Parts: sequence; structure tokens; C-alpha cells
Amino acid sequence: GESVGLHLPTLSVQEGDNSIINCAYSNSASDYFIWYKQESGKGPQFIIDIRSNMDKRQGQRVTVLLNKTVKHLSLQIAATQPGDSAVYFCAENIGGATNKLIFGTGTLLAVQP
Amino acid sequence: DTAVSQTPKYLVTQMGNDKSIKCEQNLGHDTMYWYKQDSKKFLKIMFSYNNKELIINETVPNRFSPKSPDKAHLNLHINSLELGDSAVYFCASSQHQGSSGNTIYFGEGSWLTVV
Repeated sequence: GESVGLHLPTLSVQEGDNSIINCAYSNSASDYFIWYKQESGKGPQFIIDIRSNMDKRQGQRVTVLLNKTVKHLSLQIAATQPGDSAVYFCAENIGGATNKLIFGTGTLLAVQP
Repeated sequence: DTAVSQTPKYLVTQMGNDKSIKCEQNLGHDTMYWYKQDSKKFLKIMFSYNNKELIINETVPNRFSPKSPDKAHLNLHINSLELGDSAVYFCASSQHQGSSGNTIYFGEGSWLTVV
């Protein structure tokens, strides 16, 4: 469960609404980006990825947008469902030989019925 | 048929003890990782191994010693446990190292509490 005093950025949405989770990344040389979903008590689960030569990629109910000019990434979830409630992390891959992922701080998505 | 599995899931131990967390992946991946998640949910890489060879060591105290007997296993041994070691430790794997676009898959985590 959550730790006492844990203060993640939180996005609260009504079931059925669209959600937009934002992320600022740090390294202009990063060339690959991933969104992960982490449910309580579980490991991060891959949702969608995007390479730096793209600015938009769509999956099932999810869309990732990449703005390299301002180093910004967003995850859009259409018709948000209670099962979407989780902590969402963006991660940037700085490329090179080591496949090293740098994670953002995470956003808690709370879906209200 | 869990892809990345780690044991134990929960571990409570006293300061000063030595403990190990085991990890196995059945995805046929070449590269494995250990990540640490603190109480604020911040995830940070600790180590990566590619085909049993250490690739990344993120200035982790040398009380932490990863061991990879083969490319499907990466165990984490921790000596002289301290209170600050309390965290969730995630094992992960990817098909290969290098060149981005190489998705990393995580295990379910091992909750370590040092008392």
C-alpha cells in the first residue's frame, strides 16, 4: 500500500473522462521514451513507447505525445476506467550502449466512479 | 508463466544481517537489471548485466553485490543491512543492451524492510 506522507502529484478524474498525464524529461539527447503503469503492490508495466523521431503514437485507448522542443511527454488515456487507477511513470532512455532508463517522479491517477 | 520472477516478495530482517533476493527471467533476454524504489516511489537503476557481464553500476554501496550465474538469473546479495536499505527492489530484463527501443520488463518487486 501507499506510505504515510507519500505526496505524489495526483490527477483525479471521473470514470469515462479522458486523462492527460504530463512529464518533463531532462536530457535532450534521449532518443526513446516509455510510459509505465504501476498498480499498488506490483511492478511497473509497459504501456506504450515512442522514439524521438516521432511526435505521436497511438495504442489501444492510449496516446503518447512527444514535444522535443520543450522536452515534454504526455500520456492520454481515453474513456478512463477504474482499472486505470495507478501510478504512471514516464522514462527516458539516454541511448548509447547501456540502455539506461531514467524514470520521472510518477503521477497518481485516481479514477472516481 | 511469469516472465520476470523474483523471490522473496516480502523480507523483514534486522540491521546487520546479510540477505539475498533472487531473480529469474524466462523471456530469453540477454540483459537483466536491478532497480530500487524508495518510499517516495522514485525508481532508480542500480545494476545491469548483459550475458553475465556487469554493464552498469550506479555508485551503489559495495555492500550490494549482484551475481549472475547465467543470463537468465541475476541475484542481489546485500551485506550488513542498514535501515536505509528498506525499499522495494525490482528485477527487470530486456532483449539486449544498447540501442534504444529495447523495452525493459519488470518483475513484481521484493519488499525489503530492515528493522
